[in-house]
Amino acid sequence: EAQVTQNPRYLITVTGKKLTVTCSQNMNHEYMSWYRQDPGLGLRQIYYSMNVEVTDKGDVPEGYKVSRKEKRNFPLILESPSPNQTSLYFCASSLVLWGTFGPLHFGNGTRLTVT
Amino acid sequence: GQQLNQSPQSMFIQEGEDVSMNCTSSSIFNTWLWYKQDPGEGPVLLIALYKAGELTSNGRLTAQFGITRKDSFLNISASIPSDVGIYFCFYAGNNRKLIWGLGTSLAVNP
Repeated sequence: EAQVTQNPRYLITVTGKKLTVTCSQNMNHEYMSWYRQDPGLGLRQIYYSMNVEVTDKGDVPEGYKVSRKEKRNFPLILESPSPNQTSLYFCASSLVLWGTFGPLHFGNGTRLTVT
Repeated sequence: GQQLNQSPQSMFIQEGEDVSMNCTSSSIFNTWLWYKQDPGEGPVLLIALYKAGELTSNGRLTAQFGITRKDSFLNISASIPSDVGIYFCFYAGNNRKLIWGLGTSLAVNP
């Protein structure tokens, strides 16, 4: 089954403790992206990647890191989490053909709480 | 980043009623995508529109790509409780910019 898999679904941590949220897709998509979703603010893009070893900042990259060493994986890293990073996070992927994006496929989300 | 204007922000309707929501943009778009997000889940694609004037249906859902290419409409006919969720319009441009509406939250009273 074609899917985007995020782990964990729920995570509670303390300020400053490094964490990684994993994302994997099995559709051979070039494009992958991380979003955070907060009430009243919609989906805001954190980072995106057009292909292996190619990553770019989205609209709210501060406090986050990503890597794209393999096409299927795009982990989100919080080196020193803070309470304002408490949010619902989504990973997404998309096929890109001749520069044109196909529809985004989303993971089921990771609800992160930083105390 | 840039956002689409989506309205209404929320809707509370009775089961069986029809629903209409829309997205507008100051820019011309080549693609409109409509997604639904169930509570606690990731957004799922409902309908994709690729041509101005295009009218596409998916069951009880119908979406239209406005002639001006600056707007799109999503209609749901004969709503049912499982229609509850947040509906997003979305645009994926060739310049890698992905633009979202803030969503329309739909509540259906059985």
